[in-house]
Amino acid sequence: EPEVTQTPSHQVTQMGQEVILRCVPISNHLYFYWYRQILGQKVEFLVSFYNNEISEKSEIFDDQFSVERPDGSNFTLKIRSTKLEDSAMYFCASSQTGYSAETQYFGPGTRLLVL
Amino acid sequence: KQEVTQIPAALSVPEGENLVLNCSFTDSAIYNLQWFRQDPGKGLTSLLLIQSSQREQTSGRLNASLDKSSGRSTLYIAASQPGDSATYLCAVIFQAGTALIFGKGTTLSVSS
Repeated sequence: EPEVTQTPSHQVTQMGQEVILRCVPISNHLYFYWYRQILGQKVEFLVSFYNNEISEKSEIFDDQFSVERPDGSNFTLKIRSTKLEDSAMYFCASSQTGYSAETQYFGPGTRLLVL
Repeated sequence: KQEVTQIPAALSVPEGENLVLNCSFTDSAIYNLQWFRQDPGKGLTSLLLIQSSQREQTSGRLNASLDKSSGRSTLYIAASQPGDSATYLCAVIFQAGTALIFGKGTTLSVSS
C-alpha cells in the first residue's frame, strides 16, 4: 500500500541552524501538508500546499518556515534559524485532491531536537 | 476560535469491554471529521473519516458517529483488545479550510 515517507527520522541541531525536513508524498496525491506535535501537546497544522503554492498556513508558520516541492516527488519544510521551541515531531501528510471527502495520509514523522 | 476537545484524556479497560471515546468541536460548520490512532513515538494512522453529510462510518470493530448540530462525535470500539492500546485522536476540517484541527487525544490502555 502506498505510504508517505519522511527523512530523517530523527534530527538534532544547534539553535540558530537551518534544517530541512524531507517528505515523499503518495505518488498520485496533489495536496501536501506539514503538521507538528510538541511533546505532550496537540498535533498542530502548519501549512498546506497545492499546485506549487501555499494554500493555507497557520500563525505558527512565520517567516522562519518555508516549503518547497523541488522536484516531482519531494516536499520539504525548511526552518531557517531554529529555536529551542521548534523541537517537536514534524509530520508530513498528503491527500489526493484536497476535497473535503479526502483522507489525509500521514508519514511517520521526523523528530527534531534543537539544542 | 475553532477547537476540538476530547474526553476522557485517558481510559483503562479490561480486554473484551466495549468503549466509547468522545470528541466535541466548537463550530458545526465542518467539512469532515477524522479519527486517527497514534502509537507511542509513531505517526498517525487514519481509522475513519466521516463527511459532514454522513451520520456514521464503520470499519471492523470501530464505529464513528457524527452529530454536527451538537458538535459531537463518538468512536465506539467493540470487544476491545490489548492491541487497541494507543492514543486516539479526533480531527476536524472546518469549512473554508484545508487544515485538520486536532484534539489532544484519548490514551487507551486495554489490559489482558
